Amino acid sequence: GESVGLHLPTLSVQEGDNSIINCAYSNSASDYFIWYKQESGKGPQFIIDIRSNMDKRQGQRVTVLLNKTVKHLSLQIAATQPGDSAVYFCADGTGYALNFGKGTSLLVTP
Amino acid sequence: ETGVTQSPTHLIKTRGQQVTLRCSSQSGHNTVSWYQQALGQGPQFIFQYYREEENGRGNFPPRFSGLQFPNYSSELNVNALELDDSALYLCASSSTIGRGSTDTQYFGPGTRLTVL
Repeated sequence: GESVGLHLPTLSVQEGDNSIINCAYSNSASDYFIWYKQESGKGPQFIIDIRSNMDKRQGQRVTVLLNKTVKHLSLQIAATQPGDSAVYFCADGTGYALNFGKGTSLLVTP
Repeated sequence: ETGVTQSPTHLIKTRGQQVTLRCSSQSGHNTVSWYQQALGQGPQFIFQYYREEENGRGNFPPRFSGLQFPNYSSELNVNALELDDSALYLCASSSTIGRGSTDTQYFGPGTRLTVL
């Protein structure tokens, strides 16, 4: 079946820098995309989502960009903080199910 | 905190046994989805319940079954446990307007199941 995948399994950034986490999806029928943050021992925490009729959406310190032409999704985190260290998952939705990638580990160093 | 709760937190079972996991959805949410997350992997969709009926199912065998109750809480039952069933089981609640719509899903903390 089609799946969502991530380009980089691990990303290390310095505190205060901006982070960009990328994600490629393969299902052209996907109409909903979402980013989650998961800390060790916890459930995924909603960050931001975007529907296919948009190409950009901003939240608090985060921006999601959607490029449907190349089936690419990215999460930008501004002024990355140590508390941002976690595994980040992108997922796409078609109807009821969310299809997750394997995740990117973000490590923020002081 | 999302307001989604799951019980128990941890569970240890032996192969062949049966297990029931429970989930209470966030206030105002009418839909519950269940996911299985193996170590180092992303969550995999098991099934979703909306208005007490299964609204969709992923690639999991029939020994994985579920229920949703009138108060929108839900159970996941797994029969004939196998070693590969060891995973973090996550439930997510959402507010669905109608079947076929994708809505923001908010996850609970999960139940860690270990099958020996």
